[in-house]
Amino acid sequence: EAGVAQSPRYKIIEKRQSVAFWCNPISGHATLYWYQQILGQGPKLLIQFQNNGVVDDSQLPKDRFSAERLKGVDSTLKIQPAKLEDSAVYLCASSSQRGIYEQFFGPGTRLTVL
Amino acid sequence: DAKTTQPNSMESNEEEPVHLPCNHSTISGTDYIHWYRQLPSQGPEYVIHGLTSNVNNRMASLAIAEDRKSSTLILHRATLRDAAVYYCLRLGNTPLVFGKGTRLSVIA
Repeated sequence: EAGVAQSPRYKIIEKRQSVAFWCNPISGHATLYWYQQILGQGPKLLIQFQNNGVVDDSQLPKDRFSAERLKGVDSTLKIQPAKLEDSAVYLCASSSQRGIYEQFFGPGTRLTVL
Repeated sequence: DAKTTQPNSMESNEEEPVHLPCNHSTISGTDYIHWYRQLPSQGPEYVIHGLTSNVNNRMASLAIAEDRKSSTLILHRATLRDAAVYYCLRLGNTPLVFGKGTRLSVIA
Protein backbone atom coordinates (compact mmCIF):
# COMPACT_ATOMS: atom_id res chain seq x y z
CA GLU A 1 0.00 0.00 0.00
CA ALA A 2 1.46 3.36 -1.03
CA GLY A 3 1.84 5.86 1.77
CA VAL A 4 1.01 9.55 1.95
CA ALA A 5 2.99 11.47 -0.66
CA GLN A 6 4.11 15.07 -0.26
CA SER A 7 6.03 17.46 -2.44
CA PRO A 8 8.31 19.23 -2.49
CA ARG A 9 10.40 17.78 0.34
CA TYR A 10 12.30 21.02 0.85
CA LYS A 11 11.61 24.64 -0.04
CA ILE A 12 13.54 27.82 0.62
CA ILE A 13 11.89 31.17 -0.04
CA GLU A 14 12.27 34.76 1.02
CA LYS A 15 9.76 36.47 3.27
CA ARG A 16 6.73 37.90 1.51
CA GLN A 17 6.98 35.29 -1.25
CA SER A 18 4.30 32.67 -1.86
CA VAL A 19 4.64 28.91 -1.57
CA ALA A 20 2.43 25.89 -2.12
CA PHE A 21 2.63 22.33 -0.83
CA TRP A 22 0.95 19.31 -2.31
CA CYS A 23 -0.33 16.15 -0.63
CA ASN A 24 -1.67 12.90 -2.05
CA PRO A 25 -3.30 10.80 0.70
CA ILE A 26 -3.62 7.04 0.87
CA SER A 27 -6.16 5.85 -1.66
CA GLY A 28 -9.66 5.73 -0.23
CA HIS A 29 -8.92 7.79 2.85
CA ALA A 30 -11.72 10.26 3.44
CA THR A 31 -10.02 12.41 6.07
CA LEU A 32 -7.00 14.57 5.36
CA TYR A 33 -5.02 16.73 7.80
CA TRP A 34 -2.37 19.42 7.47
CA TYR A 35 -0.04 19.99 10.43
CA GLN A 36 2.70 22.52 11.08
CA GLN A 37 5.69 21.35 13.12
CA ILE A 38 8.09 23.98 14.37
CA LEU A 39 11.52 22.72 15.43
CA GLY A 40 11.45 21.21 18.90
CA GLN A 41 7.66 21.08 19.14
CA GLY A 42 4.96 18.57 18.38
CA PRO A 43 2.84 18.92 15.25
CA LYS A 44 0.01 21.47 15.37
CA LEU A 45 -3.15 20.82 13.40
CA LEU A 46 -3.85 23.54 10.82
CA ILE A 47 -6.83 22.14 8.96
CA GLN A 48 -8.84 18.93 8.68
CA PHE A 49 -10.88 17.86 5.64
CA GLN A 50 -13.57 15.22 5.43
CA ASN A 51 -13.75 14.37 1.71
CA ASN A 52 -13.71 17.84 0.12
CA GLY A 53 -15.27 19.70 3.05
CA VAL A 54 -13.48 21.50 5.88
CA VAL A 55 -14.14 20.01 9.33
CA ASP A 56 -11.79 22.14 11.42
CA ASP A 57 -9.66 25.12 10.41
CA SER A 58 -9.71 26.91 13.75
CA GLN A 59 -5.90 27.08 13.96
CA LEU A 60 -5.27 28.08 10.34
CA PRO A 61 -4.00 31.68 10.02
CA LYS A 62 -6.51 32.55 7.37
CA ASP A 63 -5.00 35.91 6.53
CA ARG A 64 -2.08 34.15 4.87
CA PHE A 65 -2.76 30.43 4.77
CA SER A 66 -5.26 28.66 2.54
CA ALA A 67 -5.95 25.04 1.73
CA GLU A 68 -8.19 23.13 -0.59
CA ARG A 69 -9.04 19.55 -1.37
CA LEU A 70 -10.76 19.52 -4.70
CA LYS A 71 -12.57 16.28 -5.59
CA GLY A 72 -11.83 14.94 -2.12
CA VAL A 73 -8.46 13.43 -2.99
CA ASP A 74 -5.31 15.55 -3.36
CA SER A 75 -4.82 18.68 -1.32
CA THR A 76 -2.74 21.83 -1.52
CA LEU A 77 -1.70 24.17 1.28
CA LYS A 78 -0.64 27.69 0.32
CA ILE A 79 1.08 30.47 2.22
CA GLN A 80 0.86 33.98 0.81
CA PRO A 81 2.80 36.00 1.85
CA ALA A 82 5.25 33.99 3.93
CA LYS A 83 6.75 35.26 7.19
CA LEU A 84 9.94 34.22 8.96
CA GLU A 85 7.91 32.44 11.64
CA ASP A 86 6.38 30.14 9.01
CA SER A 87 9.66 28.23 8.84
CA ALA A 88 8.65 24.72 9.84
CA VAL A 89 7.91 21.24 8.56
CA TYR A 90 4.46 20.92 7.03
CA LEU A 91 3.02 17.46 7.48
CA CYS A 92 0.09 15.93 5.68
CA ALA A 93 -1.76 12.96 7.17
CA SER A 94 -4.77 10.89 6.18
CA SER A 95 -7.11 8.45 7.85
CA SER A 96 -9.89 6.25 6.60
CA GLN A 97 -12.48 8.19 8.58
CA ARG A 98 -12.76 10.89 11.21
CA GLY A 99 -12.45 10.11 14.86
CA ILE A 100 -10.30 7.51 16.55
CA TYR A 101 -8.84 6.05 13.40
CA GLU A 102 -5.10 5.76 12.89
CA GLN A 103 -3.54 8.65 11.01
CA PHE A 104 -0.87 7.97 8.41
CA PHE A 105 1.64 10.76 8.00
CA GLY A 106 3.69 11.77 4.98
CA PRO A 107 7.39 12.66 5.17
CA GLY A 108 6.66 16.39 5.34
CA THR A 109 7.89 19.48 3.52
CA ARG A 110 10.60 21.46 5.25
CA LEU A 111 10.06 25.18 4.61
CA THR A 112 12.74 27.75 5.30
CA VAL A 113 11.78 31.42 5.06
CA LEU A 114 14.74 33.81 4.81
CA ASP B 1 -3.04 22.51 25.20
CA ALA B 2 -1.96 18.89 24.82
CA LYS B 3 -3.86 17.88 27.97
CA THR B 4 -1.29 15.15 28.58
CA THR B 5 1.94 15.26 30.55
CA GLN B 6 5.05 13.28 29.63
CA PRO B 7 8.69 13.38 30.75
CA ASN B 8 10.87 15.34 28.36
CA SER B 9 13.36 12.54 27.88
CA MET B 10 14.18 8.98 28.86
CA GLU B 11 17.07 6.65 28.26
CA SER B 12 17.14 2.90 27.87
CA ASN B 13 19.70 0.20 27.21
CA GLU B 14 19.28 -1.86 24.10
CA GLU B 15 17.38 -5.15 24.54
CA GLU B 16 15.78 -3.96 27.78
CA PRO B 17 12.11 -3.08 28.32
CA VAL B 18 11.07 0.56 28.31
CA HIS B 19 8.10 2.02 30.15
CA LEU B 20 7.02 5.43 28.88
CA PRO B 21 4.54 7.14 31.23
CA CYS B 22 1.78 9.59 30.38
CA ASN B 23 -0.52 11.54 32.66
CA HIS B 24 -3.97 12.51 31.40
CA SER B 25 -5.79 13.29 34.61
CA THR B 26 -8.55 15.34 32.95
CA ILE B 27 -9.47 12.74 30.36
CA SER B 28 -13.17 12.33 29.62
CA GLY B 29 -14.91 9.00 29.58
CA THR B 30 -15.08 8.87 25.80
CA ASP B 31 -11.54 10.01 24.96
CA TYR B 32 -9.23 7.40 23.51
CA ILE B 33 -5.53 7.34 24.37
CA HIS B 34 -3.28 7.27 21.33
CA TRP B 35 0.47 6.91 21.06
CA TYR B 36 2.51 8.02 18.10
CA ARG B 37 6.25 8.15 17.62
CA GLN B 38 8.42 10.27 15.37
CA LEU B 39 11.77 9.08 14.14
CA PRO B 40 14.32 11.70 13.07
CA SER B 41 13.39 13.48 9.84
CA GLN B 42 10.16 11.52 9.44
CA GLY B 43 6.48 12.14 10.02
CA PRO B 44 4.83 10.69 13.13
CA GLU B 45 3.94 7.01 13.07
CA TYR B 46 0.99 5.42 14.85
CA VAL B 47 1.97 3.02 17.61
CA ILE B 48 -1.12 1.96 19.54
CA HIS B 49 -4.37 3.19 21.06
CA GLY B 50 -6.85 2.12 23.72
CA LEU B 51 -9.87 3.17 25.75
CA THR B 52 -10.02 1.21 28.98
CA SER B 53 -8.44 -2.20 28.60
CA ASN B 54 -4.77 -2.92 28.10
CA VAL B 55 -3.82 -3.37 24.47
CA ASN B 56 -1.07 -5.27 22.68
CA ASN B 57 0.16 -5.16 19.11
CA ARG B 58 3.31 -6.07 17.25
CA MET B 59 5.00 -2.81 18.16
CA ALA B 60 4.14 -2.29 21.82
CA SER B 61 1.76 -2.73 24.72
CA LEU B 62 -0.42 -0.08 26.29
CA ALA B 63 -1.28 -0.30 29.97
CA ILE B 64 -4.12 1.97 31.05
CA ALA B 65 -4.71 2.75 34.72
CA GLU B 66 -8.04 1.69 36.13
CA ASP B 67 -9.06 5.32 36.70
CA ARG B 68 -7.80 6.19 33.17
CA LYS B 69 -5.84 9.15 34.51
CA SER B 70 -2.56 7.71 33.31
CA SER B 71 -1.17 5.19 30.88
CA THR B 72 2.15 3.55 30.07
CA LEU B 73 3.53 2.58 26.70
CA ILE B 74 5.70 -0.51 26.99
CA LEU B 75 8.37 -1.44 24.48
CA HIS B 76 9.29 -4.98 25.45
CA ARG B 77 12.82 -4.98 24.05
CA ALA B 78 14.22 -1.63 23.00
CA THR B 79 16.30 -1.52 19.85
CA LEU B 80 18.33 1.32 18.37
CA ARG B 81 15.54 1.80 15.85
CA ASP B 82 13.16 2.68 18.68
CA ALA B 83 15.03 5.92 19.39
CA ALA B 84 12.40 8.56 18.68
CA VAL B 85 10.06 11.12 20.20
CA TYR B 86 7.00 9.39 21.64
CA TYR B 87 3.73 11.31 21.85
CA CYS B 88 0.81 10.44 24.09
CA LEU B 89 -2.45 12.00 22.94
CA ARG B 90 -6.12 12.11 23.81
CA LEU B 91 -8.58 11.73 20.99
CA GLY B 92 -12.27 12.28 21.32
CA ASN B 93 -14.58 14.85 19.86
CA THR B 94 -11.70 17.23 19.37
CA PRO B 95 -8.77 16.58 17.02
CA LEU B 96 -5.38 15.30 18.08
CA VAL B 97 -3.27 17.80 20.01
CA PHE B 98 0.41 16.93 20.15
CA GLY B 99 2.56 18.02 23.09
CA LYS B 100 6.35 17.92 23.06
CA GLY B 101 6.45 14.20 23.79
CA THR B 102 9.21 12.10 25.36
CA ARG B 103 12.52 11.79 23.57
CA LEU B 104 13.71 8.21 23.99
CA SER B 105 17.41 7.47 23.64
CA VAL B 106 18.55 3.87 23.29
CA ILE B 107 22.08 2.99 24.27
CA ALA B 108 23.87 0.10 22.61
